[in-house]
Amino acid sequence: AQRVTQPEKLLSVFKGAPVELKCNYSYSGSPELFWYVQYSRQRLQLLLRHISRESIKGFTADLNKGETSFHLKKPFAQEEDSAMYYCALSRNRDDKIIFGKGTRLHILP
Amino acid sequence: DGGITQSPKYLFRKEGQNVTLSCEQNLNHDAMYWYRQDPGQGLRLIYYSQIVNDFQKGDIAEGYSVSREKKESFPLTVTSAQKNPTAFYLCASTHRRGGEETQYFGPGTRLLVL
Repeated sequence: AQRVTQPEKLLSVFKGAPVELKCNYSYSGSPELFWYVQYSRQRLQLLLRHISRESIKGFTADLNKGETSFHLKKPFAQEEDSAMYYCALSRNRDDKIIFGKGTRLHILP
Repeated sequence: DGGITQSPKYLFRKEGQNVTLSCEQNLNHDAMYWYRQDPGQGLRLIYYSQIVNDFQKGDIAEGYSVSREKKESFPLTVTSAQKNPTAFYLCASTHRRGGEETQYFGPGTRLLVL
């Protein structure tokens, strides 16, 4: 079965330090992968997707098919990055999206 | 704010009572979803609907029911059979364009059992 694993429930990082939120998935085909973010008192929203190969708010994520990973990275953490982050997988465009359990990122001043 | 509304914001349920959570979208999206969000559990899929008059069970459908009579509406009923209904419920709809899809989420409804 398809699965998304986020091994860290909580990640605390000092402001200005690099950030890496880990995400591993299990799926034998070619998935579409996403990172969603939920800031305090805001709705869950899409941060980025692997297809777009874009950088949003300084975050990037590279799909590593060999390691079945899609880690989210940012070179210099900012206080406004504190939020709940969810990694998600979709098998194809007409299928449900599977979410990981989430990682709470806490940026320390 | 995404065009997806959920009501009410807070809902209280008595033991043995059925309650219905509303989800409406004016984005003309075909697919709609219901998730349950619990601390440490992430988002778990309850039901989803890819098109009007059709829906499928998600991973934790027991004790829940849905209908999709209109494209813009996807109400979720939490029945008395759901033994642990206290949770935060999120509705979402999906936009697909050019091979890319994006889920848009509502603000959520927090259900509490009295």
